[in-house]
Amino acid sequence: QKEVEQDPGPLSVPEGAIVSLNCTYSNSAFQYFMWYRQYSRKGPELLMYTYSSGNKEDGRFTAQVDKSSKYISLFIRDSQPSDSATYLCAMSRIKAAGNKLTFGGGTRVLVKP
Amino acid sequence: GAVVSQHPSWVICKSGTSVKIECRSLDFQATTMFWYRQFPKQSLMLMATSNEGSKATYEQGVEKDKFLINHASLTLSTLTVTSAHPEDSSFYICSASPTGSYNEQFFGPGTRLTVL
Repeated sequence: QKEVEQDPGPLSVPEGAIVSLNCTYSNSAFQYFMWYRQYSRKGPELLMYTYSSGNKEDGRFTAQVDKSSKYISLFIRDSQPSDSATYLCAMSRIKAAGNKLTFGGGTRVLVKP
Repeated sequence: GAVVSQHPSWVICKSGTSVKIECRSLDFQATTMFWYRQFPKQSLMLMATSNEGSKATYEQGVEKDKFLINHASLTLSTLTVTSAHPEDSSFYICSASPTGSYNEQFFGPGTRLTVL
């Protein structure tokens, strides 16, 4: 079993809908959680960075962490065709400079006009 | 801010040749850089962690003599694929962790390597 599980999709939604993405993990030592967006043949772009349980909002993006359930989510409001990409969750055990990240497999999202 | 560049963006080479890929942090210093490999429709696979001024730490199963990493300065790391073969064809992505930050990694745009 992988440390971080993420549904590969594809997840297809109409423009303007809310996109709901999630990851589950097995290692309770993970404390730092990130979401990246990756367009085809490009490097990932950091979207959200959260620590411990709770919600964090940034523009159209909301990240949620539920450490008791080992479950994290990313919501994208008012989705646009330009949001069509692969979304990767990533996690880290400790707060340390240059620490490795453990990635989920990524969910492919398609927002249809 | 937090821009990472890679050069070249794509390269085609003959089997048996060596290829060098550069990763630069343009507007910040990075004590640590990471090198990943990504196959089509798959997630990132960490190859090695590169620390400025010291030897890289390779992940299990990654041949350090084949994938040479040099992190000579706080803004530059290089990955050299030695004696490349067709099975080394892949998308190579670097990331940089700003000095003094924690866990954040900023990724380069990637380099597509095709070995004929």
